[in-house]
Amino acid sequence: EPEVTQTPSHQVTQMGQEVILRCVPISNHLYFYWYRQILGQKVEFLVSFYNNEISEKSEIFDDQFSVERPDGSNFTLKIRSTKLEDSAMYFCASSHLINTGELFFGEGSRLTVL
Amino acid sequence: AQSVTQLGSHVSVSEGALVLLRCNYSSSVPPYLFWYVQYPNQGLQLLLKYTSAATLVKGINGFEAEFKKSETSFHLTKPSAHMSDAAEYFCAVTFISGGYNKLIFGAGTRLAVHP
Repeated sequence: EPEVTQTPSHQVTQMGQEVILRCVPISNHLYFYWYRQILGQKVEFLVSFYNNEISEKSEIFDDQFSVERPDGSNFTLKIRSTKLEDSAMYFCASSHLINTGELFFGEGSRLTVL
Repeated sequence: AQSVTQLGSHVSVSEGALVLLRCNYSSSVPPYLFWYVQYPNQGLQLLLKYTSAATLVKGINGFEAEFKKSETSFHLTKPSAHMSDAAEYFCAVTFISGGYNKLIFGAGTRLAVHP
């Protein structure tokens, strides 16, 4: 069964460093998303991406965040200068058809900022 | 504005007892509704989904949920809890917005199952 894959599963970084989280969505999907879950809290929407541009972004998704689909398969989330409060689990998701409403999630990338 | 409310951040039941996790949503258009389960240090696993077909939806691991439009609810139930059901459960609602889906999660309910 096709699945969304994310790398790395866990990354530890120093405050101020740049981090890139990578996702490979399901191959025929057209809509891509990043969500964030701070430890013990709810899953929060960060950004949606379609047709090589951002469709919508939340208040969390400030100028230090960016997303890119550099080739036909990868979808990346870059955090330019990490802060302690960026420590969280980041989930990538993709969907194909909008009429079912279902998003398919990866296993997540845990980011720890020291 | 669309929102999802899960009543009870923690629910504790005895093994074999009924599980009831509550979810209410607000939406001006018919939504799609989901329940996800998250085990410790793991990702999000889809339990079940409602996409405007049958109002009673059966999912994995013996869980089911009923969509009640009049109550704007989508409560999750399981007749008999098992120790392995202990996890965090998230209700989620998706809206078609601007031609794409946007999934909004509730705050989650942590289910504890004791012997």
